[in-house]
Amino acid sequence: QKEVEQNSGPLSVPEGAIASLNCTYSDRGSQSFFWYRQYSGKSPELIMSIYSNGDKEDGRFTAQLNKASQYVSLLIRDSQPSDSATYLCAVKVGGGADGLTFGKGTHLIIQP
Amino acid sequence: EPEVTQTPSHQVTQMGQEVILRCVPISNHLYFYWYRQILGQKVEFLVSFYNNEISEKSEIFDDQFSVERPDGSNFTLKIRSTKLEDSAMYFCASTRHTNTEAFFGQGTRLTVV
Repeated sequence: QKEVEQNSGPLSVPEGAIASLNCTYSDRGSQSFFWYRQYSGKSPELIMSIYSNGDKEDGRFTAQLNKASQYVSLLIRDSQPSDSATYLCAVKVGGGADGLTFGKGTHLIIQP
Repeated sequence: EPEVTQTPSHQVTQMGQEVILRCVPISNHLYFYWYRQILGQKVEFLVSFYNNEISEKSEIFDDQFSVERPDGSNFTLKIRSTKLEDSAMYFCASTRHTNTEAFFGQGTRLTVV
């Protein structure tokens, strides 16, 4: 059974601070990892992908992957009120056309 | 910027009726997906589609569901006899390859009454 776990929050962070979001996954065969942002009533919007161990930076966002610990994280630097949303961790197992397994998401609130 | 488009944005149907949800994936993408998100719950994979046939499907995707690519651009999800518990947001997504980034449409909110 593929499981992706996230702390549901809410996680409250002051504006300008670093928000840290975490995710663990159960299937060691997982190969591809994604972070999505979802505003209430809207669709998931891709933020970042990461495929190999280490850090990957894109603007204010940094994704970190540790396959040995089965752990993925997302750091948001200089948090803005517009970053307030639910952040979804999604994992893909294997190289076939199976779909993404999503966590329930972490609700992030950036306090002005 | 290319995007996945879905129609309608909201569909209300009576229990037992058939509904068809439509999607236009990104034009150079090869893999198409349907996901479902019941209110307050996580996004769940339903089915993937490649080369005009189903590639993978989840336990949720039972005999009441079917998918089709009726022409070169549209990708549809049919729910044959809707139940109250089918009420959810349905998202279409597409990818260029199997492990590349999935881009989601804006969703169809299905309400079964």
